Amino acid sequence: ELKVEQNPLFLSMQEGKNYTIYCNYSTTSDRLYWYRQDPGKSLESLFVLLSNGAVKQEGRLMASLDTKARLSTLHITAAVHDLSATYFCAGPPNTGTASKLTFGTGTRLQVTL
Amino acid sequence: KAGVTQTPRYLIKTRGQQVTLSCSPISGHRSVSWYQQTPGQGLQFLFEYFSETQRNKGNFPGRFSGRQFSNSRSEMNVSTLELGDSALYLCASSLAGTGYSPLHFGNGTRLTVT
Repeated sequence: ELKVEQNPLFLSMQEGKNYTIYCNYSTTSDRLYWYRQDPGKSLESLFVLLSNGAVKQEGRLMASLDTKARLSTLHITAAVHDLSATYFCAGPPNTGTASKLTFGTGTRLQVTL
Repeated sequence: KAGVTQTPRYLIKTRGQQVTLSCSPISGHRSVSWYQQTPGQGLQFLFEYFSETQRNKGNFPGRFSGRQFSNSRSEMNVSTLELGDSALYLCASSLAGTGYSPLHFGNGTRLTVT
């Protein structure tokens, strides 16, 4: 059974600063997803990481995947208030299953002025 | 293209009652999954339906059930409600539930059990 751990659980950072969210998972997985959730809202897909060494960037967010270390990171560059949200990583239990995802606990990011 | 639509947005029920939640997937998507989100347990997979058949199931009691119709719309039912069933229930759709595409989530139904 796949287990997914995220840290930190809560992150308060100032605008303009950089920080990284870590996602460790317990068993081999062929992909890793990152989602964003605003308070009271649904989950929005950010990235799909498919292979070892995969790196994807969108604006101030950059995600990477190291399958050997079973680690994915979400790096925030020069944070802005609009990035305040909860970020989840998630993985499937095995190859080919895309719907039965195991989610991490989430990292609540608060960007302050 | 319309997104995943869930109805109702909010529900208040009493212990012992039953409830039905509805989900309309993105047009063309045949896989519908349901997740429960609570502050204590986080996001947990309930079940997935594809072509009117339950394809995957999470670790929830039999009080939680679902079905999918020929137009891919799905309903989820919770019988004999307990206080612990209070949660945000999220529906997600994808083309086939396999491959690498991310799930597309609806806005959820917030269920409160009193």
